[in-house]
Amino acid sequence: EIVMTQSPATLSVSPGERATLSCRASHSVSSNLAWYQQKPGQAPRLLIFGASSRATGIPARFSGSGSGTEFTLTISSLQSEDFAVYYCLQYYNWPYTFGQGTKLEIK
Amino acid sequence: QVQLVESGGGLVKPGGSLRLSCAASGFTFTDYYMSWVRQAPGKGLEWVSYISFTGTSIYYADSVKGRFTTSRDNAKNSLFLQMNNLRPEDTAVYYCAKNGPVDSWGQGTLVTVSA
Repeated sequence: EIVMTQSPATLSVSPGERATLSCRASHSVSSNLAWYQQKPGQAPRLLIFGASSRATGIPARFSGSGSGTEFTLTISSLQSEDFAVYYCLQYYNWPYTFGQGTKLEIK
Repeated sequence: QVQLVESGGGLVKPGGSLRLSCAASGFTFTDYYMSWVRQAPGKGLEWVSYISFTGTSIYYADSVKGRFTTSRDNAKNSLFLQMNNLRPEDTAVYYCAKNGPVDSWGQGTLVTVSA
């Protein structure tokens, strides 16, 4: 099983600033990496797939990068609605595995 | 638009069974793999199972293998999860999910396993 490790567990950032979230895979997943945003009481929402492709309707301030074992989600200028929990997911091979999540909170 | 509506959750005793259903609409059901993903209260996400277009290939997480069975009825645009021998650690919100990586989610249905 590929283990996905996200860092940091909690990130405190002020609105308008940039946030950088990291995800590391225990084995290469090529570019089979997705990012999700989840708000309390809601289902997750797909932000990024293929490591760097934005899903439909996702604002340009969200960007993904990386390949192999190291990945980054960057939110260029945080809006109030961006404060949530973010998960990475590898879908390179079964079982598909999520990271443990990064909570992005308001500083 | 895509709609995934789960049903069948509830409270069950350890060792009991439940069957979850998911009604899909707004897309061509037979064109997509479908999945069940769960989230224990206050915890992260766990992919439970993944079924191919026709149901000929199904994958399960080790944590549920041998106890859970996923199936689909393409004529009725429906996905199912039969859960047997339930354990307290199976307590979670269960999401019906489209594609892999998931690009659409249901609202989730809560399964509580407790004596």
